Amino acid sequence: NAGVTQTPKFQVLKTGQSMTLQCAQDMNHEYMSWYRQDPGMGLRLIHYSVGAGITDQGEVPNGYNVSRSTTEDFPLRLLSAAPSQTSVYFCASSYSSTVIYGYTFGSGTRLTVV
Amino acid sequence: DAKTTQPNSMESNEEEPVHLPCNHSTISGTDYIHWYRQLPSQGPEYVIHGLTSNVNNRMASLAIAEDRKSSTLILHRATLRDAAVYYCILSRFTGANNLFFGTGTRLTVIP
Repeated sequence: NAGVTQTPKFQVLKTGQSMTLQCAQDMNHEYMSWYRQDPGMGLRLIHYSVGAGITDQGEVPNGYNVSRSTTEDFPLRLLSAAPSQTSVYFCASSYSSTVIYGYTFGSGTRLTVV
Repeated sequence: DAKTTQPNSMESNEEEPVHLPCNHSTISGTDYIHWYRQLPSQGPEYVIHGLTSNVNNRMASLAIAEDRKSSTLILHRATLRDAAVYYCILSRFTGANNLFFGTGTRLTVIP
């Protein structure tokens, strides 16, 4: 099993550019989420999804859009990148959205906005 | 909101047990206690979780105080591979199984 796959691993954007961070899981997990991690800080929740077609905002959703058309994929879109969005982005998935199960994380995407 | 307090850093000698403390004095009756760890340049990794009783798995043990206001993650025999940031997290039910991370404890393992 591949688990949670994030692409790309590294990306440099210019201010104002748009891009999509990809996240795919092959475990048939119901719950998926996106976090960002800034230097010296813990992870902060951006958006999450409890199933295909259902998404909601986390702690820091501004500047990011998500959609979930399939169980497997949960892309994160930056419509107009800003330097404040320079961060490491992690995608996570879990078997259930309502029962406590462990999260599986991807290896991250390191994004720099110049 | 229920929060956790952890020491910023700890050190341990290799092959010795490690006890990582976590205080959560405002925990509610429905909050689970989760532990994750993050190795350098990797995503977080699930370690263990529990509600009231002590829990054991192949990676670690979780000891929960009787009043649930504190807990301890126990690594029985630290190895160099256990050097990581360890996060103690309370689940906060927001209609979904969301986890909110703090800054954790950086564990250094000394050879």
